[in-house]
Amino acid sequence: EVQLVESGGGLVQPGRSLRLSCAASGFTFHDYAMHWVRQVPGKGLEWVSGINLNGDNVGYADSVKGRFTISRDNAKNSLYLHMNSLRIEDTALYYCARDVGRYYDNAAYSTWGQGTLVTVSS
Amino acid sequence: QSVLTQPPSASGTLGQRVTISCSGSSSNIGRHTVNWYQQLPGTAPRLLIYYNNQRASGVPDRFSGSKSGTSASLAISGLQSEDEADYYCAVWDDSLNGRAVFGGGTQLTVL
Repeated sequence: EVQLVESGGGLVQPGRSLRLSCAASGFTFHDYAMHWVRQVPGKGLEWVSGINLNGDNVGYADSVKGRFTISRDNAKNSLYLHMNSLRIEDTALYYCARDVGRYYDNAAYSTWGQGTLVTVSS
Repeated sequence: QSVLTQPPSASGTLGQRVTISCSGSSSNIGRHTVNWYQQLPGTAPRLLIYYNNQRASGVPDRFSGSKSGTSASLAISGLQSEDEADYYCAVWDDSLNGRAVFGGGTQLTVL
């Protein structure tokens, strides 16, 4: 079964850091680009970041550029999102998603995790 | 405000055909393929249509997608109660160094 499981969310103060992880199983992880997408409860979807199959190219939404870093460890079938200088407006459910292809310049995500909630509050 | 414009709501009766529109621009829909997602309450989004008109695995053929110019549409025929959900269009956008963008979402009600 193809599966993505996020972890690492929680309550954090503004300005602090957090690292999200996504464990992949049931498919050949290193064959696909991967993404992080977030959603404020009750609101729409926002793409956060994407990474190519081998990690050599990444992209970010302007809202997180310079603060968030996406990475992957293909040996561990894992995707990460390092979030620094967190702001109240970063509060959201963060989903890990698998692309249908190898490169992140795409908006077709065939598999999603259940999400991990990040709450930024003092 | 979303780069892609969708109607906030749509409705239809059981068995009816409904369409949901998604309007963009030359930097996104005009250049790239469109994808559609369904999100049931309390669940993660599910890919329905990718590359404009390809149904994702397990998606019934009641769902279809099309694109023309800078607009796209999702059609649902033979509407069923379990189709009541939020629907999002998504596409790659070449502005701002490149990014994926989603429409604001359309809440579909089955009457």
